[in-house]
Amino acid sequence: QVQLQQWGAGLLKPSETLSLTCNVHGGSLSDYYWTWIRQPPGGGLEWIGEIYRGGGSTNYNPSLKSRVIISLDMFNNQFSLKLTSVTAADTAVYYCARGDDFGDYGAHFDYWGQGTLVTVSS
Amino acid sequence: QSALTQPPSVSGSPRQSVTISCTGSSSNIGIYNRVSWYQQAPGTAPKLIIYEVSKRPSGVPDRFSGSKSGNTASLTISGLQAEDEADYYCSSYTSSSILYVFGTGTKVTVL
Repeated sequence: QVQLQQWGAGLLKPSETLSLTCNVHGGSLSDYYWTWIRQPPGGGLEWIGEIYRGGGSTNYNPSLKSRVIISLDMFNNQFSLKLTSVTAADTAVYYCARGDDFGDYGAHFDYWGQGTLVTVSS
Repeated sequence: QSALTQPPSVSGSPRQSVTISCTGSSSNIGIYNRVSWYQQAPGTAPKLIIYEVSKRPSGVPDRFSGSKSGNTASLTISGLQAEDEADYYCSSYTSSSILYVFGTGTKVTVL
Protein backbone atom coordinates (compact mmCIF):
# COMPACT_ATOMS: atom_id res chain seq x y z
CA GLN A 1 0.00 0.00 0.00
CA VAL A 2 1.44 3.32 -1.09
CA GLN A 3 1.66 6.02 1.54
CA LEU A 4 2.90 9.57 1.17
CA GLN A 5 4.33 11.28 4.23
CA GLN A 6 5.22 14.94 4.02
CA TRP A 7 6.96 17.44 6.22
CA GLY A 8 8.37 20.96 6.25
CA ALA A 9 8.30 24.30 8.01
CA GLY A 10 4.83 25.54 8.85
CA LEU A 11 5.49 29.22 9.61
CA LEU A 12 7.34 31.55 7.28
CA LYS A 13 7.93 35.28 7.01
CA PRO A 14 7.23 37.16 3.80
CA SER A 15 10.05 36.79 1.22
CA GLU A 16 11.26 33.51 2.70
CA THR A 17 11.37 30.20 0.84
CA LEU A 18 8.80 27.47 1.44
CA SER A 19 10.37 24.02 1.47
CA LEU A 20 8.41 20.76 1.74
CA THR A 21 9.41 17.13 1.24
CA CYS A 22 7.23 14.11 0.55
CA ASN A 23 8.45 10.57 1.15
CA VAL A 24 6.90 7.72 -0.81
CA HIS A 25 6.44 4.53 1.22
CA GLY A 26 5.50 1.21 -0.32
CA GLY A 27 6.08 2.21 -3.91
CA SER A 28 8.59 3.41 -6.45
CA LEU A 29 8.95 6.88 -7.89
CA SER A 30 8.99 5.34 -11.35
CA ASP A 31 6.29 5.94 -13.92
CA TYR A 32 4.14 8.42 -12.03
CA TYR A 33 3.66 12.16 -11.87
CA TRP A 34 4.69 13.42 -8.46
CA THR A 35 2.55 16.42 -7.79
CA TRP A 36 2.01 19.30 -5.36
CA ILE A 37 -1.43 20.78 -4.78
CA ARG A 38 -2.43 23.49 -2.33
CA GLN A 39 -5.62 24.64 -0.63
CA PRO A 40 -5.95 28.07 1.04
CA PRO A 41 -7.94 28.16 4.28
CA GLY A 42 -11.61 27.67 3.45
CA GLY A 43 -10.80 27.56 -0.26
CA GLY A 44 -10.51 25.18 -3.16
CA LEU A 45 -7.68 23.12 -4.58
CA GLU A 46 -4.96 24.53 -6.82
CA TRP A 47 -2.51 22.49 -8.87
CA ILE A 48 1.05 23.73 -8.30
CA GLY A 49 3.03 21.42 -10.52
CA GLU A 50 4.47 17.98 -11.17
CA ILE A 51 7.64 16.07 -11.88
CA TYR A 52 7.83 12.89 -13.89
CA ARG A 53 10.35 10.20 -13.09
CA GLY A 54 11.07 9.57 -16.74
CA GLY A 55 13.63 12.21 -17.60
CA GLY A 56 12.75 14.26 -14.56
CA SER A 57 10.61 16.60 -16.64
CA THR A 58 8.54 19.19 -14.80
CA ASN A 59 5.38 21.17 -15.45
CA TYR A 60 4.29 24.11 -13.33
CA ASN A 61 1.24 26.28 -12.88
CA PRO A 62 2.04 29.40 -14.96
CA SER A 63 0.93 31.64 -12.10
CA LEU A 64 3.68 30.18 -9.88
CA LYS A 65 6.24 29.09 -12.43
CA SER A 66 8.79 31.83 -11.72
CA ARG A 67 8.95 30.86 -8.03
CA VAL A 68 8.55 27.06 -8.01
CA ILE A 69 10.97 24.18 -8.19
CA ILE A 70 9.91 20.54 -7.82
CA SER A 71 12.68 17.97 -7.59
CA LEU A 72 13.15 14.22 -7.14
CA ASP A 73 15.47 12.36 -4.77
CA MET A 74 15.52 8.84 -6.14
CA PHE A 75 17.94 7.58 -3.51
CA ASN A 76 15.62 8.47 -0.64
CA ASN A 77 12.39 7.82 -2.61
CA GLN A 78 11.10 11.32 -2.07
CA PHE A 79 10.31 14.53 -3.88
CA SER A 80 10.33 18.15 -2.81
CA LEU A 81 8.74 21.53 -3.36
CA LYS A 82 10.42 24.89 -3.09
CA LEU A 83 8.47 28.12 -3.46
CA THR A 84 10.49 31.31 -3.21
CA SER A 85 9.55 34.83 -2.13
CA VAL A 86 6.39 33.78 -0.32
CA THR A 87 3.66 36.23 0.63
CA ALA A 88 0.48 35.96 2.69
CA ALA A 89 -1.27 34.80 -0.48
CA ASP A 90 0.77 31.59 -0.30
CA THR A 91 -0.77 30.64 3.05
CA ALA A 92 -2.41 27.27 2.45
CA VAL A 93 -2.42 23.57 3.22
CA TYR A 94 0.05 21.99 0.82
CA TYR A 95 -0.47 18.40 -0.32
CA CYS A 96 1.81 16.05 -2.15
CA ALA A 97 0.09 13.52 -4.39
CA ARG A 98 0.74 10.79 -6.93
CA GLY A 99 -0.59 11.34 -10.41
CA ASP A 100 -1.33 8.29 -12.54
CA ASP A 101 -2.26 8.52 -16.22
CA PHE A 102 -1.89 4.81 -16.98
CA GLY A 103 0.82 5.69 -19.46
CA ASP A 104 -1.55 7.75 -21.59
CA TYR A 105 -2.36 11.38 -20.74
CA GLY A 106 -4.24 13.26 -18.08
CA ALA A 107 -3.59 11.91 -14.60
CA HIS A 108 -5.83 11.47 -11.63
CA PHE A 109 -4.42 11.82 -8.12
CA ASP A 110 -4.79 8.52 -6.33
CA TYR A 111 -2.57 8.87 -3.27
CA TRP A 112 -2.18 11.99 -1.15
CA GLY A 113 0.00 13.10 1.71
CA GLN A 114 -1.56 14.22 4.95
CA GLY A 115 -1.13 17.91 4.17
CA THR A 116 1.03 20.62 5.73
CA LEU A 117 -0.38 23.97 6.78
CA VAL A 118 2.03 26.70 5.77
CA THR A 119 1.33 30.13 7.20
CA VAL A 120 3.09 33.23 5.91
CA SER A 121 3.04 36.05 8.41
CA SER A 122 5.36 38.79 9.57
CA GLN B 1 -7.58 29.11 -16.96
CA SER B 2 -10.49 29.54 -14.54
CA ALA B 3 -11.59 26.98 -12.01
CA LEU B 4 -14.37 24.60 -12.98
CA THR B 5 -17.78 25.70 -11.70
CA GLN B 6 -19.62 23.66 -9.10
CA PRO B 7 -22.68 24.52 -6.98
CA PRO B 8 -21.57 25.64 -3.49
CA SER B 9 -23.84 23.16 -1.77
CA VAL B 10 -26.31 20.34 -2.27
CA SER B 11 -28.30 18.44 0.31
CA GLY B 12 -30.47 15.38 0.55
CA SER B 13 -32.05 13.01 3.01
CA PRO B 14 -30.64 9.55 3.68
CA ARG B 15 -31.30 7.11 0.83
CA GLN B 16 -32.02 9.93 -1.60
CA SER B 17 -29.83 10.72 -4.61
CA VAL B 18 -27.93 13.94 -5.21
CA THR B 19 -26.06 15.13 -8.28
CA ILE B 20 -23.20 17.61 -8.38
CA SER B 21 -22.43 19.37 -11.64
CA CYS B 22 -18.99 20.52 -12.76
CA THR B 23 -18.94 22.93 -15.67
CA GLY B 24 -15.81 23.58 -17.66
CA SER B 25 -15.08 24.50 -21.25
CA SER B 26 -13.88 23.23 -24.60
CA SER B 27 -10.34 23.47 -23.23
CA ASN B 28 -10.85 20.86 -20.56
CA ILE B 29 -13.96 18.77 -19.89
CA GLY B 30 -15.28 19.27 -23.40
CA ILE B 31 -12.33 17.60 -25.10
CA TYR B 32 -10.85 15.22 -22.54
CA ASN B 33 -12.27 12.21 -20.75
CA ARG B 34 -9.90 12.94 -17.91
CA VAL B 35 -12.30 14.13 -15.25
CA SER B 36 -11.82 12.98 -11.67
CA TRP B 37 -13.73 13.56 -8.46
CA TYR B 38 -12.43 13.85 -4.90
CA GLN B 39 -14.16 13.60 -1.55
CA GLN B 40 -12.72 15.65 1.32
CA ALA B 41 -13.90 15.23 4.89
CA PRO B 42 -13.07 18.12 7.27
CA GLY B 43 -9.40 18.28 8.20
CA THR B 44 -8.37 15.45 5.89
CA ALA B 45 -6.73 15.09 2.51
CA PRO B 46 -8.90 14.64 -0.58
CA LYS B 47 -9.72 11.08 -1.57
CA LEU B 48 -10.12 9.93 -5.17
CA ILE B 49 -13.60 8.52 -5.82
CA ILE B 50 -13.99 8.76 -9.61
CA TYR B 51 -11.42 8.92 -12.42
CA GLU B 52 -11.66 9.09 -16.21
CA VAL B 53 -15.21 10.45 -15.94
CA SER B 54 -16.91 7.31 -14.62
CA LYS B 55 -14.43 4.76 -13.26
CA ARG B 56 -14.31 3.91 -9.56
CA PRO B 57 -11.11 2.98 -7.73
CA SER B 58 -11.15 -0.24 -5.78
CA GLY B 59 -12.98 0.16 -2.50
CA VAL B 60 -15.21 3.06 -3.53
CA PRO B 61 -18.90 2.17 -3.12
CA ASP B 62 -20.91 1.81 -6.32
CA ARG B 63 -23.39 4.41 -5.10
CA PHE B 64 -20.88 6.92 -6.47
CA SER B 65 -21.11 7.34 -10.24
CA GLY B 66 -19.81 9.83 -12.77
CA SER B 67 -20.83 11.01 -16.21
CA LYS B 68 -20.14 13.74 -18.75
CA SER B 69 -22.05 15.63 -21.39
CA GLY B 70 -20.39 18.33 -23.43
CA ASN B 71 -18.50 20.70 -21.16
CA THR B 72 -20.20 19.47 -17.98
CA ALA B 73 -19.34 16.50 -15.79
CA SER B 74 -21.55 15.18 -13.02
CA LEU B 75 -21.15 13.13 -9.86
CA THR B 76 -24.19 11.29 -8.54
CA ILE B 77 -24.42 9.84 -5.07
CA SER B 78 -27.25 7.31 -4.92
CA GLY B 79 -28.62 6.12 -1.62
CA LEU B 80 -27.09 8.99 0.33
CA GLN B 81 -25.55 8.03 3.66
CA ALA B 82 -24.50 10.12 6.64
CA GLU B 83 -20.85 9.29 5.96
CA ASP B 84 -21.12 10.94 2.53
CA GLU B 85 -21.29 14.37 4.16
CA ALA B 86 -18.13 16.10 2.90
CA ASP B 87 -16.77 18.52 0.32
CA TYR B 88 -16.48 17.26 -3.25
CA TYR B 89 -14.15 18.57 -5.94
CA CYS B 90 -13.97 17.79 -9.63
CA SER B 91 -10.78 18.07 -11.65
CA SER B 92 -9.94 17.97 -15.33
CA TYR B 93 -6.89 17.77 -17.51
CA THR B 94 -6.61 20.83 -19.74
CA SER B 95 -5.13 21.82 -23.08
CA SER B 96 -3.49 24.89 -21.58
CA SER B 97 -0.18 25.30 -19.78
CA ILE B 98 -1.97 24.83 -16.46
CA LEU B 99 -2.36 21.12 -16.94
CA TYR B 100 -5.00 20.51 -14.27
CA VAL B 101 -7.85 22.61 -12.98
CA PHE B 102 -10.09 21.88 -10.03
CA GLY B 103 -13.70 22.75 -9.38
CA THR B 104 -14.83 25.34 -6.87
CA GLY B 105 -16.06 22.62 -4.54
CA THR B 106 -19.48 21.48 -3.34
CA LYS B 107 -20.49 20.82 0.22
CA VAL B 108 -22.83 17.84 0.52
CA THR B 109 -25.11 17.86 3.55
CA VAL B 110 -27.13 14.85 4.65
CA LEU B 111 -30.31 16.12 6.24
